[in-house]
Amino acid sequence: GQQLNQSPQSMFIQEGEDVSMNCTSSSIFNTWLWYKQDPGEGPVLLIALYKAGELTSNGRLTAQFGITRKDSFLNISASIPSDVGIYFCAGRTWNSGNTPLVFGKGTRLSVIA
Amino acid sequence: NAGVMQNPRHLVRRRGQEARLRCSPMKGHSHVYWYRQLPEEGLKFMVYLQKENIIDESGMPKERFSAEFPKEGPSILRIQQVVRGDSAAYFCASSPNFWGRGGYTFGSGTRLTVV
Repeated sequence: GQQLNQSPQSMFIQEGEDVSMNCTSSSIFNTWLWYKQDPGEGPVLLIALYKAGELTSNGRLTAQFGITRKDSFLNISASIPSDVGIYFCAGRTWNSGNTPLVFGKGTRLSVIA
Repeated sequence: NAGVMQNPRHLVRRRGQEARLRCSPMKGHSHVYWYRQLPEEGLKFMVYLQKENIIDESGMPKERFSAEFPKEGPSILRIQQVVRGDSAAYFCASSPNFWGRGGYTFGSGTRLTVV
């Protein structure tokens, strides 16, 4: 089946630092999504990408849909304590029929004040 | 609350009992997806349903697990004769159509503990 490789698995950073995480797939994707999960809650959509090369921002977050359609990255600038959580990439392949979204294993972000 | 509603939030079952997890999708959403999350793991797709139909159940174990989304009422994920390995967080998500432009909207999950 489809697999998403998300890295890094975890990060410990100082408040104010920038963060970068990425996701790669073995298949060509036509949709890339980035979600954040707070402890004890469900994932919340942060950014959605639909075209190769697309670069989209949401406040301090920026995500890009890779030109090869097989990767995506998420950047967080000037991290703050509430950025703590698990960030998941998710995507769907080009000709996946009715196959729903597949998720990466997540990047666990810890911010040290 | 117009979001995806899941209940119960926490469920404790003894081995061998049945667990029933409920999910009411967002208003206007007719596509429901169930995912399972084990500790320190990502979200694993289980089943995709549209009203009264199972569209894709490729991620759901063939035994003990079943799902439905009746014409009226919430979607139900049922686990019969639960075992310790079923302990996990189960998330439901919904979208207005399959392509779900804008992604899926997730509920807060049901955390199942089997003792």
